[in-house]
Amino acid sequence: GAGVSQSPSNKVTEKGKDVELRCDPISGHTALYWYRQRLGQGLEFLIYFQGNSAPDKSGLPSDRFSAERTGESVSTLTIQRTQQEDSAVYLCASSSPTGITYNEQFFGPGTRLTVL
Amino acid sequence: SQQGEEDPQALSIQEGENATMNCSYKTSINNLQWYRQNSGRGLVHLILIRSNEREKHSGRLRVTLDTSKKSSSLLITASRAADTASYFCATLPGSARQLTFGSGTQLTVLP
Repeated sequence: GAGVSQSPSNKVTEKGKDVELRCDPISGHTALYWYRQRLGQGLEFLIYFQGNSAPDKSGLPSDRFSAERTGESVSTLTIQRTQQEDSAVYLCASSSPTGITYNEQFFGPGTRLTVL
Repeated sequence: SQQGEEDPQALSIQEGENATMNCSYKTSINNLQWYRQNSGRGLVHLILIRSNEREKHSGRLRVTLDTSKKSSSLLITASRAADTASYFCATLPGSARQLTFGSGTQLTVLP
């Protein structure tokens, strides 16, 4: 596609419910990233996928958070038993690594999650 | 902890003036990137400077990198109201695969 797309754009849920966020990266981009951004703050790294390698999950804040990626395409970020502190914008980005020097990341528009 | 920290946190200038934002980081890096974000949604890549580069230009943007001081600056010349946004620096530490973002500078350009 032309860019990174994310769905839904907005999600309102009740505390304790599970949510699933989707990211479609740019075709051909082998690297995919998930970030969380709380209101007025910077980006917080969550998880990174690179090709068929094991994902880097070092940024996931708790075991309620998980993510999957199908090959080098769609990724889903799942948050189980949502808490109010999970309210944030969840951003997905993809990039096309060149050797060991990683190029710029292309971001999707984000999913704004509100947990009531 | 944040690898990149921007300074100032907020900056307000008049249209036509230059805007300078600074970024400091802690560890050695592969490259440093600047991004822009409007309205708290997706980020747009502005410019990338590699660790062996000292200065880079792109249109009205000028980025400098001083690896000895572990700092970078982003200069926007002849600012416009449309430049109003949050600007983030992001570093790629030498051994890492993912960027580390700072907390950003909120730039307001008054018409």
